[in-house]
Amino acid sequence: DSGVTQTPKHLITATGQRVTLRCSPRSGDLSVYWYQQSLDQGLQFLIHYYNGEERAKGNILERFSAQQFPDLHSELNLSSLELGDSALYFCASSVEAHRGYEQYFGPGTRLTVT
Amino acid sequence: SQQGEEDPQALSIQEGENATMNCSYKTSINNLQWYRQNSGRGLVHLILIRSNEREKHSGRLRVTLDTSKKSSSLLITASRAADTASYFCATDLDQTGANNLFFGTGTRLTVIP
Repeated sequence: DSGVTQTPKHLITATGQRVTLRCSPRSGDLSVYWYQQSLDQGLQFLIHYYNGEERAKGNILERFSAQQFPDLHSELNLSSLELGDSALYFCASSVEAHRGYEQYFGPGTRLTVT
Repeated sequence: SQQGEEDPQALSIQEGENATMNCSYKTSINNLQWYRQNSGRGLVHLILIRSNEREKHSGRLRVTLDTSKKSSSLLITASRAADTASYFCATDLDQTGANNLFFGTGTRLTVIP
């Protein structure tokens, strides 16, 4: 158990809809990262928050947004969903924001868009 | 797009044998990490090697890094059926110094009992 929790585990929704994925980092970790894993794109870095502030953006679509709250949990919002958004979404956390620290991954949320 | 590529894409060995996976990446890095993923589950950190290190050991794992060739290898010795998983290398490329990871394509390892 990494100490990172994600809810829900599974999510099935229709095209055009909006969903929110939730992540609680390990106790004491200030950084939260979101990744998307799909068969065709592999593991892609989406966005990174550190202590409530956006730190970096990766391959995140404009239809997607995220935030990190004062209690350090984070939410990833996906809107106007398309079939291609079906993927595993992982949240990870680390104690610091700068390079050189291992990341602890949550179990993921499997999103299926029908 | 992927930063790196693992080779081979899939590897099948007998229990007790050694498994070697290779990772090549495209640009300069500060650190390279290896992660393991059991089917459809979260990733687990295995080892981190810094760009000024050439080799690192952790239990049955041995990682090498050759920055001149932009490549790394992960050796698992005396493999066990429980080592069956996908293995990914990840590099930090962000010029701001942030800890964002860019993953390779992964090697799927099957250890036959």
